[in-house]
Amino acid sequence: RKEVEQDPGPFNVPEGATVAFNCTYSNSASQSFFWYRQDCRKEPKLLMSVYSSGNEDGRFTAQLNRASQYISLLIRDSKLSDSATYLCVFSLDAGGTSYGKLTFGQGTILTVHP
Amino acid sequence: DAGITQSPRHKVTETGTPVTLRCHQTENHRYMYWYRQDPGHGLRLIHYSYGVKDTDKGEVSDGYSVSRSKTEDFLLTLESATSSQTSVYFCAISESETGNNYGYTFGSGTRLTVV
Repeated sequence: RKEVEQDPGPFNVPEGATVAFNCTYSNSASQSFFWYRQDCRKEPKLLMSVYSSGNEDGRFTAQLNRASQYISLLIRDSKLSDSATYLCVFSLDAGGTSYGKLTFGQGTILTVHP
Repeated sequence: DAGITQSPRHKVTETGTPVTLRCHQTENHRYMYWYRQDPGHGLRLIHYSYGVKDTDKGEVSDGYSVSRSKTEDFLLTLESATSSQTSVYFCAISESETGNNYGYTFGSGTRLTVV
C-alpha cells in the first residue's frame, strides 16, 4: 500500500461549485497533516494545516479522520483562481526524531471553469 | 516569509557530467531538504540536513550527494548525471527548530534536463 494516496483527478467544476478531495495515508503514527497548493510550474505553497478537530479558513475546510486514516479538503464557492494541484502531506513527529520530513501525495488537479 | 533561493533556475547538461544545485536561505533555519518532482511520482525526498555537516539520505538518494558547510547553503550534487535525473528539483526549509512540523517553505525550483 502506498504511504499516501490521492485521487489525481482532474476535477473540472464550474465557478461557485463545492468540491471535496480526500487523501488516505497508511502510517497510523502520522502526526502532522497539511494541504499544499501548487500552481503550474511553480513551487508548492502551504494552504493549511489539518487539525484533529477540523479547521476552516474562509472557503476552505480541512478535516482529519484518524480512525479511517484520511484527510479531506472542502472548497466552497470555487473561484477560477482555485485552479491548481492540491497536495496532501503528512509527517511523522516523534519529538523531532523524524527531522521534520514530509511525505507528499501525488496531487489532485482542480480546474474551475467559468 | 523565509528567504530561500535556488540556483540555477534552469540547466541543461550532458549525461555523465557532474552538476551542483544550490539552495540558499537567509534566516539560519536548521532543517533543509532537497526533493525532486516527477510526473506520476509527486515530490520525493532526496536528502535532508538538520545542521551544519549533518545530513542524511531520503528515499531516492542514489546518484546524489549533498553538503552543508554553512547554515545558509545546502548543495545538491549529481555525481554523474543520467537521463533519469531529468526532473524539477525543489529545496525546502522548515522554520521549526525542533523537527516538529509546521510545514515547509519551498524555493522556486530548478528545472534540470540531462541530454
